[in-house]
Amino acid sequence: ELKVEQNPLFLSMQEGKNYTIYCNYSTTSDRLYWYRQDPGKSLESLFVLLSNGAVKQEGRLMASLDTKARLSTLHITAAVHDLSATYFCAVDIVDTGTASKLTFGTGTRLQVTL
Amino acid sequence: DGGITQSPKYLFRKEGQNVTLSCEQNLNHDAMYWYRQDPGQGLRLIYYSQIVNDFQKGDIAEGYSVSREKKESFPLTVTSAQKNPTAFYLCATRKRAVLNYGYTFGSGTRLTVV
Repeated sequence: ELKVEQNPLFLSMQEGKNYTIYCNYSTTSDRLYWYRQDPGKSLESLFVLLSNGAVKQEGRLMASLDTKARLSTLHITAAVHDLSATYFCAVDIVDTGTASKLTFGTGTRLQVTL
Repeated sequence: DGGITQSPKYLFRKEGQNVTLSCEQNLNHDAMYWYRQDPGQGLRLIYYSQIVNDFQKGDIAEGYSVSREKKESFPLTVTSAQKNPTAFYLCATRKRAVLNYGYTFGSGTRLTVV
């Protein structure tokens, strides 16, 4: 059974600081997604990482994927209050035949304070 | 505009009652998925379907049923056998159930047992 673990589960950080969220998974996959969720809302896609060594950046967020270590990171640079949300990683695996499905981590609730 | 429509946005169910959540898409995507999210937790897969008239159980299928009679529609029925159905339900689609295609999520249905 695939397990996807995120840490930390909760992160309170000051504006302007840097921090990294970690996503570890237990089976081979070279496709990983990061999503943002605001309270009561659906998921917003942030990054799609499709190969080992993939690195993507958008604004103050940068995501990377190391398939050999089965690890993805989401790095936050100079946090601002607008980044407060819950962040999920999700691992994409082929289930049966050609069917693929996402398995989600437990999420990291980020709170950026002044 | 292409997208996913989930309805209703809010749904209240009485004990012992079956309810059906609607998911309609006009993206011409082949694969459709249902996820459940409990407060403060990640998403868990209920059912998914790659093609019309075919679907597979996810990790928490007990107490739920689905049908896929049309490519555009993938309704989820929460039966009375589901003892704790209060949750946020998200429908997702994917163009192909294989590599390199991203997932699209609907806006969700919040189900509450009264």
